[in-house]
Amino acid sequence: EVQLLESGGGLVRPGESLRVSCAASGFTFRYYWMTWVRQAPGKGLEWVASINLDGSEKYFADSVKGRFTISRDNAKNLVDLQMNSLRVEDTAVYFCARVDSSGQEDSFDIWGQGAKVTVSS
Amino acid sequence: EVLLTQSPVTLSLSPGDRATLSCRASRSDRFYVAWYQQKKPGQAPRLLIYDTSIRAAGIPGRFSGSQSGSDFTLTISGLEPEDFAVYYCQQSGAFGGGTQVEIK
Repeated sequence: EVQLLESGGGLVRPGESLRVSCAASGFTFRYYWMTWVRQAPGKGLEWVASINLDGSEKYFADSVKGRFTISRDNAKNLVDLQMNSLRVEDTAVYFCARVDSSGQEDSFDIWGQGAKVTVSS
Repeated sequence: EVLLTQSPVTLSLSPGDRATLSCRASRSDRFYVAWYQQKKPGQAPRLLIYDTSIRAAGIPGRFSGSQSGSDFTLTISGLEPEDFAVYYCQQSGAFGGGTQVEIK
C-alpha cells in the first residue's frame, strides 16, 4: 500500500525549533519529488516547501524562507522538515505529500495524515 | 506568483444536486489546475482532478473539471452524501481559498 506517515509534531515555544519527518512506503521514493503543505486552524491549505529527487533543489514559501529547511534520505525513504525560529503563526497541521510530475503540471497525489505543530508561549 | 480565487466560499445544496465550483487564476499563461477534496479540517486532502480535467485514480465519474480562459470549474453531477466537503484548486503549488459544499 502506498503510504506516507508523518511524525514529530508537538508543542513548542516561539523561537524554538522542531523537526517533522515523513516516512514513505509502497512506492519507489527516489523517483518522486516530495512536498510539505500546512493548514493553520480554521484556514485553508498552504504550500510550504518542496524537494527534488536527489535533494539538490529545494523551494520554500516566502513565509518560511530562511527559517525552514527540507531534506530527504532516499536510502531510508524519509523526508524531513526542519523548522527553526518558530512563530505563533506557524501553528498548523503539517502534511507531507508526494508530487506527481507525470502530467502537464505537478499535483500532489498521495498525502500523509498530518503532524500537528503548536507554537505557543 | 499565482493567485487563485475560488467562488463561492460556501455552496448550500441538497444530495442529488449539481455543484459548480469556480477557480480563477491571476495568470492567464498557466493552463492547468488540480482539485482536491478535504472532508474535515486537519484531515488529509484527496486529489480529485489533475491537469484541469483528468480524474485521479479511483475518483468517480460524477467529478469533472473544465476550463475557459483563466477560469477553471469543478463540477459534481449528482451530489452524494460523502461529497459534502471543502474543495481546493491548486496551480503552481499555490492553493485557492477553498469552497465549502454544505448540505442545504
